Amino acid sequence: DAGVTQSPTHLIKTRGQHVTLRCSPISGHKSVSWYQQVLGQGPQFIFQYYEKEERGRGNFPDRFSARQFPNYSSELNVNALLLGDSALYLCASYRTGADTQYFGPGTRLTVL
Amino acid sequence: QKEVEQDPGPLSVPEGAIVSLNCTYSNSAFQYFMWYRQYSRKGPELLMYTYSSGNKEDGRFTAQVDKSSKYISLFIRDSQPSDSATYLCAMSAEGGSQGNLIFGKGTKLSVKP
Repeated sequence: DAGVTQSPTHLIKTRGQHVTLRCSPISGHKSVSWYQQVLGQGPQFIFQYYEKEERGRGNFPDRFSARQFPNYSSELNVNALLLGDSALYLCASYRTGADTQYFGPGTRLTVL
Repeated sequence: QKEVEQDPGPLSVPEGAIVSLNCTYSNSAFQYFMWYRQYSRKGPELLMYTYSSGNKEDGRFTAQVDKSSKYISLFIRDSQPSDSATYLCAMSAEGGSQGNLIFGKGTKLSVKP
């Protein structure tokens, strides 16, 4: 089975721009989470979607938003980009009721 | 005090050595404990998962959880150069799919041939 896929792999934006990152979960997984990993740090939780409904949100500003589609894929949107938004953005998927999450390769965002 | 503390290293060992990686935590509600391995510029890969206290072994890897001390460990036996990566501990109070994961900073491990 294919793992979690994310697109694009790399992205370069300038301050103030908007970005959309995409994630496709493992087949059969209906839930996704988004994490931000700044260089040298562990991933930090941004959002969790469980069967298309927002289940949790981390300590991130309203510039960050997400949604999940009927096919369980997901988008993360970030508005008004700041230099500090430069990071690896990770998507994780999991089966309903499972205890473990599986991560995709991430999208590396650079904000200039 | 951060919820999860992990020594970032770097840790350098010779091939064949036993490696010990550790995390401490402050939230007594954590019940689900995971270790992820992350190669440079890749996503984290789940290595070990433990619920509550106890030991779990999988090949060369052993995970230990001591909830009374709020301390978890990952041991790697007969370490190989291919084990060179960053190791992240992660934990959750509600289960990985019911709640968000709290990660340590990661420990960078280098295994020298």
